[in-house]
Amino acid sequence: NAGVTQTPKFQVLKTGQSMTLQCAQDMNHNSMYWYRQDPGMGLRLIYYSASEGTTDKGEVPNGYNVSRLNKREFSLRLESAAPSQTSVYFCASSEYGTGDTEAFFGQGTRLTVV
Amino acid sequence: GDSVTQMEGPVTLSEEAFLTINCTYTATGYPSLFWYVQYPGEGLQLLLKATKADDKGSNKGFEATYRKETTSFHLEKGSVQVSDSAVYFCALGHSGNTPLVFGKGTRLSVIA
Repeated sequence: NAGVTQTPKFQVLKTGQSMTLQCAQDMNHNSMYWYRQDPGMGLRLIYYSASEGTTDKGEVPNGYNVSRLNKREFSLRLESAAPSQTSVYFCASSEYGTGDTEAFFGQGTRLTVV
Repeated sequence: GDSVTQMEGPVTLSEEAFLTINCTYTATGYPSLFWYVQYPGEGLQLLLKATKADDKGSNKGFEATYRKETTSFHLEKGSVQVSDSAVYFCALGHSGNTPLVFGKGTRLSVIA
């Protein structure tokens, strides 16, 4: 039972490069989320998708785009990477909203922008 | 807006010591409250939750009680082990399609 799978696990980008972080869940969950984790800042929500076909901005959406490709997959794209986007990125999913059901997290993608 | 404040870390304890990690919240309505734990190199996982006032969540020897009068959800464990070393996050959520709001996390190190 894989749960939430993120790829890649590690990535180094040069400033201005683009990349897409992939996330897939096999639990038939409706809601999916992207967070970033920075020292002293905890987890901050970038974007979320309450259900297939919908996406909404979170606390720190600037510099990112997302695509809910289908019910299983939710990708995060950096169009022009900046050093301020150096962070650990976590994807999560839940059956419904996280006030009602447990959120399951992937193992994270550690991104360094140089 | 909703917010969660938890005690600054890091916290370093000896094995078998008593643990308290404070968490207070500000929220509209009647949120559910959670503690998530992140072990080294892993993603977060749910440790325990409480969905209404005076509920006590418990798991793996950890406990937290939802105190509406003090807007608190402090995490406690009577005797910590080295394997409890991790980062602990307090969070709140509302029914419906709203995401969790997390505190900044508290790093716990337990030494033998």
